[in-house]
Amino acid sequence: QVQLVESGGGVVQPGRSLRLSCAASGFGFSAYDMHWVRQPPGKGLEWVAGIWYDGSNQNYKDSVKGRFIISRDASRSTLSLQMNNPRPDDTAVYFCVRGIRVRGIIYFDLWGLGTLVSVSS
Amino acid sequence: SYVLTQPPSMSVAPGKTATITCGGHNFESKSVHWYQQKAGQAPVLVIYYDSARQTGIPQRFSGSNSGDTATLTISRVEAGDEADYYCQVWDTSGDQRGLFGGGTKLTVL
Repeated sequence: QVQLVESGGGVVQPGRSLRLSCAASGFGFSAYDMHWVRQPPGKGLEWVAGIWYDGSNQNYKDSVKGRFIISRDASRSTLSLQMNNPRPDDTAVYFCVRGIRVRGIIYFDLWGLGTLVSVSS
Repeated sequence: SYVLTQPPSMSVAPGKTATITCGGHNFESKSVHWYQQKAGQAPVLVIYYDSARQTGIPQRFSGSNSGDTATLTISRVEAGDEADYYCQVWDTSGDQRGLFGGGTKLTVL
């Protein structure tokens, strides 16, 4: 079954750290770019970060640059997001997403169910 | 910075046509993709590359892109189409990044 399953969400204090994981199954993980997209409560979708299929390139939303790190483990078909120094405005449901990239154009064809991160003291 | 503009909400009667717009700049150089998100669920890809329908999406859904506006059209609207709809582009004008419109909540009367 083709799916993405996120884990690791929860409550975290501002300035601490949290690591999100995403387990991919049912498809060739190493052939696809992967991304994190988040959705603050009651608000719209925000792209957070992306990593190329081979891990050679990473891109980040401006507000998370220098704080979040996206990585992948091909041997375990796992995507991760290390959230350092989180802020209250990072509170959101975080979706693990598969990206399709053709001639520099990227869209998202497979989404996980999401994991909720709440940043609060 | 690049911004995608969508109307926050719209309503349509069953059987009618819903037209959801996404405004941007220089759209002719970008491809626009559309997602449907029903209440409490993850988003689902509906349209990619402006007008290509994702596998499993009914033919009632279509997309177009002209000038500074992309459009998602839903013909013969059904109650099950009630959802939030988001447009998306991949912006390469500076650092590469994904961009979503603010979303349009479609209510079926």
